[in-house]
Amino acid sequence: DTGVSQNPRHKITKRGQNVTFRCDPISEHNRLYWYRQTLGQGPEFLTYFQNEAQLEKSRLLSDRFSAERPKGSFSTLEIQRTEQGDSAMYLCASSPSPQNIQYFGAGTRLSVL
Amino acid sequence: QKEVEQDPGPLSVPEGAIVSLNCTYSNSAFQYFMWYRQYSRKGPELLMYTYSSGNKEDGRFTAQVDKSSKYISLFIRDSQPSDSATYLCAISGGYQKVTFGIGTKLQVIP
Repeated sequence: DTGVSQNPRHKITKRGQNVTFRCDPISEHNRLYWYRQTLGQGPEFLTYFQNEAQLEKSRLLSDRFSAERPKGSFSTLEIQRTEQGDSAMYLCASSPSPQNIQYFGAGTRLSVL
Repeated sequence: QKEVEQDPGPLSVPEGAIVSLNCTYSNSAFQYFMWYRQYSRKGPELLMYTYSSGNKEDGRFTAQVDKSSKYISLFIRDSQPSDSATYLCAISGGYQKVTFGIGTKLQVIP
């Protein structure tokens, strides 16, 4: 068990560019979550999947954000037309069913210049 | 009112002290209560979790949940400099998102 894996660890991009992050959950976990964390704050929920179904999205997830989990395994989070306000740590977590004990990856730190 | 309230600190204690970290929450439907430790620029690391009320102990760490008061605590005994980190309380229902506190920054001074 290698834990939750996120790539890349750090992404620097220019405003207006598109970025995509990947998350590989713990293999037997069927639930996958995305969070965003800014400096001095706790993580904020973005969206979650049960297997390949996206079951909940936060109002923080604007139209520029899209997440997929095509085969119920890894997930991607894409941000289109990035803005400076998107600069944050993007965290992925997974949990087994039925418990909701979430295990986090190391995160992807996005810097939008 | 925020769903989860946590004092951001910072909290500074001498090595060997007992540390008490606390959160309050507003939604009585919450069932899972977790504490995460987060080092700077790293992801949150699950320390302990409890389901419903009661106490749970793991080595130097004890988690307490009082559902009647909507109050959760984490105690760290014999604190070490390596315990210096931000501690996040986290609460959830059955399969929903986890709601985090703002985190308390702890510094243990040798």
